[in-house]
Amino acid sequence: EDKVVQSPLSLVVHEGDTVTLNCSYEVTNFRSLLWYKQEKKAPTFLFMLTSSGIEKKSGRLSSILDKKELFSILNITATQTGDSAVYLCAGKNSGNTPLVFGKGTRLSVIA
Amino acid sequence: DAGVIQSPRHEVTEMGQEVTLRCKPISGHNSLFWYRQTMMRGLELLIYFNNNVPIDDSGMPEDRFSAKMPNASFSTLKIQPSEPRDSAVYFCASSPVGGPTDTQYFGPGTRLTVL
Repeated sequence: EDKVVQSPLSLVVHEGDTVTLNCSYEVTNFRSLLWYKQEKKAPTFLFMLTSSGIEKKSGRLSSILDKKELFSILNITATQTGDSAVYLCAGKNSGNTPLVFGKGTRLSVIA
Repeated sequence: DAGVIQSPRHEVTEMGQEVTLRCKPISGHNSLFWYRQTMMRGLELLIYFNNNVPIDDSGMPEDRFSAKMPNASFSTLKIQPSEPRDSAVYFCASSPVGGPTDTQYFGPGTRLTVL
């Protein structure tokens, strides 16, 4: 059975800190890994990764995939209180099947 | 584009009542997903449809839950009879099958409270 495991489950940091969120996956016929940010409402898409070693970057957020070791990390530099959210990681296989989500990492950034 | 539309946004009902949640996917998207999210269990896939056909409903917790997609622009998730343990946020998401991305676009969710 495909599964995605995220760590840590929760994290509290101060504004300005850099954080790294982890996601390991076991997905048969793996195709892609996606990161979402969920604040109070619905998850919103951040990144989709398909190739090892190629960093995706958006402002202070970046992510990279390691297909050999079956994990991905999401980095947030110079954190702000607006980064407080649950970050979800999801794996996708090459078939016509849905994403498999991890349970998320709850990030709290305090001033 | 209005995005995925869900209604109602909040629903409070009493145990034993029937609850119907509604979803309108993004126009042109061929896949539709129903999720349930709770603090304890995280985001759980209940059922998904491709081209209006239910593909996998193994996540549907019990026979009290049923979902339909009568056409490409509308789906319902029904709980009958509802129980307090059904209280959760229910998300609908859609994605373009065979498109360049695997991204699923989520609706705003329906927060269900069963008393």
